[in-house]
Amino acid sequence: GESVGLHLPTLSVQEGDNSIINCAYSNSASDYFIWYKQESGKGPQFIIDIRSNMDKRQGQRVTVLLNKTVKHLSLQIAATQPGDSAVYFCAEEDSGGGADGLTFGKGTHLIIQP
Amino acid sequence: GAGVSQSPSNKVTEKGKDVELRCDPISGHTALYWYRQSLGQGLEFLIYFQGNSAPDKSGLPSDRFSAERTGGSVSTLTIQRTQQEDSAVYLCASSFRRGVQPQHFGDGTRLSIL
Repeated sequence: GESVGLHLPTLSVQEGDNSIINCAYSNSASDYFIWYKQESGKGPQFIIDIRSNMDKRQGQRVTVLLNKTVKHLSLQIAATQPGDSAVYFCAEEDSGGGADGLTFGKGTHLIIQP
Repeated sequence: GAGVSQSPSNKVTEKGKDVELRCDPISGHTALYWYRQSLGQGLEFLIYFQGNSAPDKSGLPSDRFSAERTGGSVSTLTIQRTQQEDSAVYLCASSFRRGVQPQHFGDGTRLSIL
């Protein structure tokens, strides 16, 4: 079946460096993509989203890039801080009629080294 | 309320017992979603409500699982005759309307079946 997946289960970066977390999806009908951050014992927290009519969207210290040709999504975090340590999930949705819920990848654990 | 509220935060019960999990969505959000997250895994979609109606219940893992929503607000997820494989974190999310994102999550109920 179609699913959303992540390339790396763990990513370790130095504090202050930029982080890039990647995600591949396979449902060509997906038109909405979201990145969530989940800290231990907490629910997923919305970071940033992007619709399929866009290639790039920027937030505060975060940028999401969407490449529909290769079905690839990435999250860039600038100047990573200790508080960025968490598991990051990409999620996708076919708002035109697919499954009613979001389809999540398995997550990437971002570790910030001091 | 300010966010999605779930109760209890933790539940430990014996195999074979019934459990009821509660979700109080963000005020004004008509769409409500239940997900399950097993240890170290991504989120698995279970069921979606638009208002009090759940159009598709096929995501529920078995007929031991049921969910209802009354008054367009609070929802309960009931698991009958619990099994050890039901142990997981059960997360609830809400949004203004399906397709109008993002979904905002509660912190979940951690269910442990002994």
